[in-house]
Amino acid sequence: GAGVSQSPRYKVTKRGQDVTLRCDPISSHATLYWYQQALGQGPEFLTYFNYEAQPDKSGLPSDRFSAERPEGSISTLTIQRTEQRDSAMYRCASTPHPGGNEQFFGPGTRLTVL
Amino acid sequence: GQQVMQIPQYQHVQEGEDFTTYCNSSTTLSNIQWYKQRPGGHPVFLIQLVKSGEVKKQKRLTFQFGEAKKNSSLHITATQTTDVGTYFCAGGEDSSYKLIFGSGTRLLVRP
Repeated sequence: GAGVSQSPRYKVTKRGQDVTLRCDPISSHATLYWYQQALGQGPEFLTYFNYEAQPDKSGLPSDRFSAERPEGSISTLTIQRTEQRDSAMYRCASTPHPGGNEQFFGPGTRLTVL
Repeated sequence: GQQVMQIPQYQHVQEGEDFTTYCNSSTTLSNIQWYKQRPGGHPVFLIQLVKSGEVKKQKRLTFQFGEAKKNSSLHITATQTTDVGTYFCAGGEDSSYKLIFGSGTRLLVRP
């Protein structure tokens, strides 16, 4: 595609519900990152994928958070049993290949947990 | 773990004045990147620095990477209203492909 896309753009859910966020990276980009960005803060690393492999998930806040990229393209981030503190912007970014390169960010999904 | 601190948090300048934001890492970096995020937008890549003491320029923007590869700065000469936004630095380490972002400096420009 022309750029990184994410869906939904906005998600409002009730505490305790599960949510799944989707990221569609730039086609042929090998590496995909997930970030959580609180208002007024910088993006905070959650996890990343090289194709379908997930070498680093050290940033996932708890075992309620999980991510997949089964075919090495589209990725999903799932938050189980959402809590109010999970409310944030969730951003996805992709790069052509791993290692210190320009990251192309998507528009993000604004998650609000009531 | 690695931390990246950025100062100042906010800067409000008159159009035409200069602006500088500073970034400091708790660990030695393999590279540093700078991003700009406009209000309501997403981070957009500006530049990457990889060499100790490196200086790069993009028109009115000057980027520096410290000799010890633990700090960096972004200087904007003669700010314009189009420079408004939040500027983030992001540091990478040799051992990982992840970036650690600073908290950003929000630049406001009075016309």
